[in-house]
Amino acid sequence: QKEVEQNSGPLSVPEGAIASLNCTYSDRVSQSFFWYRQYSGKSPELIMSIYSNGDKEDGRFTAQLNKASQYVSLLIRDSQPSDSATYLCAVKRSGNTPLVFGKGTRLSVIA
Amino acid sequence: NAGVTQTPKFRILKIGQSMTLQCTQDMNHNYMYWYRQDPGMGLKLIYYSVGAGITDKGEVPNGYNVSRSTTEDFPLRLELAAPSQTSVYFCASTEAGERELFFGEGSRLTVL
Repeated sequence: QKEVEQNSGPLSVPEGAIASLNCTYSDRVSQSFFWYRQYSGKSPELIMSIYSNGDKEDGRFTAQLNKASQYVSLLIRDSQPSDSATYLCAVKRSGNTPLVFGKGTRLSVIA
Repeated sequence: NAGVTQTPKFRILKIGQSMTLQCTQDMNHNYMYWYRQDPGMGLKLIYYSVGAGITDKGEVPNGYNVSRSTTEDFPLRLELAAPSQTSVYFCASTEAGERELFFGEGSRLTVL
Protein backbone atom coordinates (compact mmCIF):
# COMPACT_ATOMS: atom_id res chain seq x y z
CA GLN A 1 0.00 0.00 0.00
CA LYS A 2 1.40 3.35 -1.05
CA GLU A 3 1.96 5.69 1.89
CA VAL A 4 0.77 8.89 0.20
CA GLU A 5 -1.59 8.66 -2.74
CA GLN A 6 -2.60 11.32 -5.23
CA ASN A 7 -4.42 11.23 -8.53
CA SER A 8 -1.71 11.88 -11.12
CA GLY A 9 -4.05 13.84 -13.38
CA PRO A 10 -3.83 15.86 -15.45
CA LEU A 11 -6.55 17.89 -13.81
CA SER A 12 -7.79 20.53 -16.22
CA VAL A 13 -9.81 23.51 -15.01
CA PRO A 14 -10.83 26.73 -16.76
CA GLU A 15 -9.32 30.02 -15.68
CA GLY A 16 -11.22 31.48 -12.72
CA ALA A 17 -12.56 28.13 -11.52
CA ILE A 18 -11.76 26.30 -8.29
CA ALA A 19 -9.17 23.54 -8.55
CA SER A 20 -9.48 20.75 -5.99
CA LEU A 21 -6.49 18.51 -5.33
CA ASN A 22 -6.75 15.49 -3.08
CA CYS A 23 -4.37 13.31 -1.11
CA THR A 24 -4.80 10.28 1.14
CA TYR A 25 -2.20 8.81 3.48
CA SER A 26 -1.85 5.47 5.20
CA ASP A 27 0.13 6.24 8.37
CA ARG A 28 -2.34 7.13 11.13
CA VAL A 29 0.34 8.71 13.32
CA SER A 30 1.17 11.35 10.71
CA GLN A 31 1.33 14.80 12.28
CA SER A 32 2.36 17.31 9.63
CA PHE A 33 1.01 17.82 6.12
CA PHE A 34 2.38 19.91 3.29
CA TRP A 35 1.54 20.93 -0.25
CA TYR A 36 4.43 21.74 -2.59
CA ARG A 37 4.14 23.19 -6.07
CA GLN A 38 6.62 22.16 -8.77
CA TYR A 39 6.84 23.87 -12.13
CA SER A 40 8.21 21.79 -14.98
CA GLY A 41 11.99 21.56 -14.76
CA LYS A 42 12.10 23.36 -11.42
CA SER A 43 12.45 22.35 -7.79
CA PRO A 44 9.46 22.07 -5.43
CA GLU A 45 8.39 25.06 -3.35
CA LEU A 46 6.13 25.09 -0.31
CA ILE A 47 2.56 26.33 -0.82
CA MET A 48 0.82 25.37 2.40
CA SER A 49 1.38 23.47 5.62
CA ILE A 50 -1.36 22.19 7.94
CA TYR A 51 -1.09 20.44 11.28
CA SER A 52 -4.59 20.23 12.76
CA ASN A 53 -8.02 19.19 11.51
CA GLY A 54 -10.02 21.75 9.61
CA ASP A 55 -9.28 24.42 7.05
CA LYS A 56 -6.33 26.76 6.69
CA GLU A 57 -6.53 29.62 4.24
CA ASP A 58 -3.73 31.64 2.65
CA GLY A 59 -4.79 33.96 -0.14
CA ARG A 60 -6.31 31.89 -2.96
CA PHE A 61 -5.18 28.63 -1.35
CA THR A 62 -7.05 26.59 1.26
CA ALA A 63 -5.70 23.40 2.79
CA GLN A 64 -8.15 21.00 4.42
CA LEU A 65 -7.21 18.19 6.79
CA ASN A 66 -9.32 15.32 8.10
CA LYS A 67 -7.16 13.00 10.21
CA ALA A 68 -10.01 10.57 10.92
CA SER A 69 -10.42 9.97 7.18
CA GLN A 70 -6.65 10.31 6.56
CA TYR A 71 -7.35 12.86 3.90
CA VAL A 72 -5.82 16.22 3.02
CA SER A 73 -6.82 18.49 0.17
CA LEU A 74 -5.80 21.74 -1.47
CA LEU A 75 -8.29 24.15 -3.01
CA ILE A 76 -7.12 26.86 -5.39
CA ARG A 77 -9.72 29.58 -5.94
CA ASP A 78 -9.79 31.81 -9.03
CA SER A 79 -7.31 29.52 -10.78
CA GLN A 80 -4.82 31.23 -13.07
CA PRO A 81 -2.73 29.83 -15.94
CA SER A 82 0.30 30.50 -13.72
CA ASP A 83 -1.07 27.88 -11.30
CA SER A 84 -0.41 25.20 -13.93
CA ALA A 85 2.13 22.92 -12.25
CA THR A 86 2.46 19.62 -10.43
CA TYR A 87 1.27 19.69 -6.82
CA LEU A 88 2.99 17.33 -4.41
CA CYS A 89 1.38 16.23 -1.17
CA ALA A 90 3.84 15.41 1.64
CA VAL A 91 3.20 13.81 5.01
CA LYS A 92 5.34 13.48 8.12
CA ARG A 93 5.33 11.74 11.46
CA SER A 94 6.62 13.61 14.47
CA GLY A 95 10.31 13.72 15.41
CA ASN A 96 13.16 13.17 12.98
CA THR A 97 11.31 10.99 10.48
CA PRO A 98 11.53 12.53 6.99
CA LEU A 99 8.73 13.69 4.73
CA VAL A 100 7.02 11.16 2.47
CA PHE A 101 5.88 12.57 -0.86
CA GLY A 102 3.06 11.49 -3.13
CA LYS A 103 3.60 11.24 -6.87
CA GLY A 104 1.93 14.57 -7.46
CA THR A 105 -1.10 15.81 -9.38
CA ARG A 106 -0.52 17.74 -12.58
CA LEU A 107 -2.84 20.75 -12.81
CA SER A 108 -3.53 22.56 -16.06
CA VAL A 109 -5.45 25.85 -15.95
CA ILE A 110 -6.90 26.67 -19.35
CA ALA A 111 -7.18 30.36 -20.31
CA ASN B 1 22.24 34.05 1.23
CA ALA B 2 22.46 31.44 -1.52
CA GLY B 3 20.19 28.82 0.14
CA VAL B 4 20.84 25.26 -1.08
CA THR B 5 23.41 24.93 -3.85
CA GLN B 6 23.85 21.78 -5.91
CA THR B 7 26.59 20.97 -8.39
CA PRO B 8 26.78 19.89 -11.13
CA LYS B 9 23.45 20.82 -12.74
CA PHE B 10 23.89 18.32 -15.55
CA ARG B 11 26.12 15.26 -15.96
CA ILE B 12 26.38 12.32 -18.30
CA LEU B 13 28.06 9.21 -16.95
CA LYS B 14 29.05 5.95 -18.52
CA ILE B 15 27.94 2.70 -16.91
CA GLY B 16 30.33 1.76 -14.11
CA GLN B 17 31.69 5.26 -13.55
CA SER B 18 31.48 6.97 -10.17
CA MET B 19 30.78 10.54 -9.22
CA THR B 20 29.80 12.81 -6.36
CA LEU B 21 26.89 15.22 -6.36
CA GLN B 22 27.71 18.18 -4.16
CA CYS B 23 25.20 19.93 -1.90
CA THR B 24 25.88 22.84 0.40
CA GLN B 25 23.56 25.11 2.37
CA ASP B 26 24.28 28.41 4.10
CA MET B 27 21.22 28.54 6.37
CA ASN B 28 22.78 26.57 9.26
CA HIS B 29 20.14 23.87 8.89
CA ASN B 30 20.70 20.62 10.77
CA TYR B 31 18.44 18.50 8.57
CA MET B 32 19.50 17.65 5.03
CA TYR B 33 18.05 15.25 2.47
CA TRP B 34 18.75 13.72 -0.91
CA TYR B 35 15.79 12.84 -3.15
CA ARG B 36 15.58 11.49 -6.65
CA GLN B 37 12.72 12.19 -9.02
CA ASP B 38 12.03 10.05 -12.05
CA PRO B 39 9.80 11.40 -14.88
CA GLY B 40 6.17 11.72 -13.79
CA MET B 41 6.96 10.51 -10.31
CA GLY B 42 7.18 12.06 -6.89
CA LEU B 43 10.26 12.42 -4.77
CA LYS B 44 11.90 9.31 -3.37
CA LEU B 45 14.20 9.70 -0.38
CA ILE B 46 17.72 8.31 -0.83
CA TYR B 47 19.52 9.37 2.36
CA TYR B 48 19.05 11.98 5.04
CA SER B 49 20.96 13.53 7.91
CA VAL B 50 19.75 15.16 11.12
CA GLY B 51 23.10 16.70 11.93
CA ALA B 52 26.83 16.56 11.30
CA GLY B 53 28.13 13.02 11.68
CA ILE B 54 24.66 11.43 11.48
CA THR B 55 23.20 9.86 8.35
CA ASP B 56 20.40 7.40 7.71
CA LYS B 57 18.98 5.47 4.77
CA GLY B 58 15.81 6.47 3.06
CA GLU B 59 13.53 4.54 0.73
CA VAL B 60 16.02 3.92 -2.13
CA PRO B 61 19.63 3.93 -0.78
CA ASN B 62 21.12 1.11 -2.87
CA GLY B 63 23.95 2.29 -5.11
CA TYR B 64 24.52 5.49 -3.17
CA ASN B 65 26.57 6.69 -0.21
CA VAL B 66 26.61 9.91 1.79
CA SER B 67 28.68 11.63 4.42
CA ARG B 68 28.02 14.63 6.66
CA SER B 69 31.24 15.94 8.12
CA THR B 70 30.01 19.54 8.42
CA THR B 71 26.64 21.20 8.93
CA GLU B 72 26.88 22.89 5.53
CA ASP B 73 27.77 20.00 3.22
CA PHE B 74 25.99 16.76 2.34
CA PRO B 75 27.57 15.10 -0.73
CA LEU B 76 25.95 12.12 -2.45
CA ARG B 77 28.29 9.52 -3.93
CA LEU B 78 27.26 7.24 -6.79
CA GLU B 79 29.43 4.15 -7.11
CA LEU B 80 29.35 2.02 -10.27
CA ALA B 81 26.70 4.05 -12.06
CA ALA B 82 23.82 2.12 -13.65
CA PRO B 83 21.14 3.24 -16.17
CA SER B 84 18.56 2.89 -13.36
CA GLN B 85 20.25 5.85 -11.65
CA THR B 86 19.30 8.18 -14.49
CA SER B 87 17.16 10.75 -12.70
CA VAL B 88 16.94 14.27 -11.33
CA TYR B 89 18.49 14.56 -7.89
CA PHE B 90 17.35 17.16 -5.38
CA CYS B 91 19.10 18.14 -2.20
CA ALA B 92 17.00 19.83 0.49
CA SER B 93 17.44 21.22 3.96
CA THR B 94 15.32 22.44 6.86
CA GLU B 95 15.94 23.88 10.28
CA ALA B 96 13.53 21.46 11.94
CA GLY B 97 11.66 18.37 10.82
CA GLU B 98 8.26 20.03 10.80
CA ARG B 99 9.35 23.13 8.93
CA GLU B 100 9.55 24.02 5.24
CA LEU B 101 12.01 22.12 3.09
CA PHE B 102 14.29 24.29 1.00
CA PHE B 103 15.36 22.63 -2.23
CA GLY B 104 18.35 23.08 -4.46
CA GLU B 105 17.83 23.53 -8.20
CA GLY B 106 18.44 19.87 -8.90
CA SER B 107 21.10 17.84 -10.69
CA ARG B 108 20.09 16.00 -13.87
CA LEU B 109 22.09 12.80 -14.24
CA THR B 110 22.08 10.53 -17.27
CA VAL B 111 23.82 7.15 -17.22
CA LEU B 112 24.52 5.64 -20.64
